[in-house]
Amino acid sequence: AQTVTQSQPEMSVQEAETVTLSCTYDTSESNYYLFWYKQPPSRQMILVIRQEAYKQQNATENRFSVNFQKAAKSFSLKISDSQLGDTAMYFCAFMKLRGGSQGNLIFGKGTKLSVKP
Amino acid sequence: EAGVVQSPRYKIIEKKQPVAFWCNPISGHNTLYWYLQNLGQGPELLIRYENEEAVDDSQLPKDRFSAERLKGVDSTLKIQPAELGDSAVYLCASSLGLRLNEQFFGPGTRLTVL
Repeated sequence: AQTVTQSQPEMSVQEAETVTLSCTYDTSESNYYLFWYKQPPSRQMILVIRQEAYKQQNATENRFSVNFQKAAKSFSLKISDSQLGDTAMYFCAFMKLRGGSQGNLIFGKGTKLSVKP
Repeated sequence: EAGVVQSPRYKIIEKKQPVAFWCNPISGHNTLYWYLQNLGQGPELLIRYENEEAVDDSQLPKDRFSAERLKGVDSTLKIQPAELGDSAVYLCASSLGLRLNEQFFGPGTRLTVL
C-alpha cells in the first residue's frame, strides 16, 4: 500500500521569503503522479502543482516549484516570494496508475503554512 | 464555469439520526469522488464513481454509509445511523476522468454529531 508522509505539521514564513514544505512517500510502483494541493481556511481544495514520475524535470508553476527525488521518494514544494494569500493547509498526494485504486488520490496529513506580514 | 456544489455546508445532528449530503459536480465531469476529512488529517477516499457506476467503494463503511449517483450526474452520500465518530468534513470532487485530469473539490459539508 502507498503512504504519504508530511513531517512538518506547521510552518511559518515571512512575507516575500521562500519556504519549502517536505513530503516523502512509499510505493513499489515505478510510474505514478504526485500532487500538491492547497486548502485555505474556506476549505475548498485547490491544485497547486503536479509531477509525473517518469519526467525528470521538476514541475514549476509561477512561484511554486517542486524538488522531485524519485530514488529518495521525496517530493518537496518550494514557495518563492511568499504572499499572505499562501496561508493555508498544504497536502501532498500520490496517485497510482495501475490496479484497482488507480486514479485515487492518497493524501498526507498536511502542513499548515502561515505567512506573516 | 460553476465549480463543484455541495449542500448543506454545515449539519448538526444527534447520534443515531440519519443524514444526507448532496453533490453536484462540474458539468461534463464523469468521475465523482466522495472523501472524508477528519480534523487535522488529509482527505480519505470513500467512494469513486465513473458515470453512475461505483467503481471503488472499498473504503466505504457499508453497514451505515450508502451512496448513489443517479443518471451519472448528482450524487448523494447517506449515513444511517450517524455515530459520534462520523463528525468530520465530507468532500466531493469531480474530474473529467482518471489520472492526470485534475480533481476539482467542493467546499465540503461539515458534520457534527452530538
